[in-house]
Amino acid sequence: QKEVEQNSGPLSVPEGAIASLNCTYSDRGSQSFFWYRQYSGKSPELIMSIYSNGDKEDGRFTAQLNKASQYVSLLIRDSQPSDSATYLCAVIRNSGNTPLVFGKGTRLSVIA
Amino acid sequence: DVKVTQSSRYLVKRTGEKVFLECVQDMDHENMFWYRQDPGLGLRLIYFSYDVKMKEKGDIPEGYSVSREKKERFSLILESASTNQTSMYLCASSPGRGSGGYTFGSGTRLTVV
Repeated sequence: QKEVEQNSGPLSVPEGAIASLNCTYSDRGSQSFFWYRQYSGKSPELIMSIYSNGDKEDGRFTAQLNKASQYVSLLIRDSQPSDSATYLCAVIRNSGNTPLVFGKGTRLSVIA
Repeated sequence: DVKVTQSSRYLVKRTGEKVFLECVQDMDHENMFWYRQDPGLGLRLIYFSYDVKMKEKGDIPEGYSVSREKKERFSLILESASTNQTSMYLCASSPGRGSGGYTFGSGTRLTVV
């Protein structure tokens, strides 16, 4: 089983809709979870972090964490064409002293 | 406003050459990382460093080495470039251990011919 798994997509949503991006991880003791956005031809940039079970909201973005199910998600409300990018889920494993492990990313396309 | 600088955006090298990829950060971060990114394979960790003169192997260190003589600079060395090392190379830094807030450089697209 891969450490961090994401559906590669593409995920296509109409402008104004909610985009839901999902991620599962294998290390049950993982403590910290991150979402990065990567535009085509650009580097990843951090958009959200979450450490506790539940929801964390930041503007149009909501990160959701369920440690029992080993599941992290990112919701993007009122999706805009400018949200079209690849979204990478990343996890710090149990020890907390190790580098991020990245999923392969989900490509999101927001259709105007 | 550039925080992590990679010396070259595009690089073309010949098989067997020794290749140096340079990365400099101006945020006084403790940690620095080298990843490569390939279509379908995602980001894979090559080497990382949590302190000056310290280095640790990542998931795919074979064929690479690193140097960190100063806190702000982390160099990736391809000892003898091969065509399977053609890739996008991304440098990143973060404030301290356990920090998942990485700042990435703009990347170096390396082609080995």
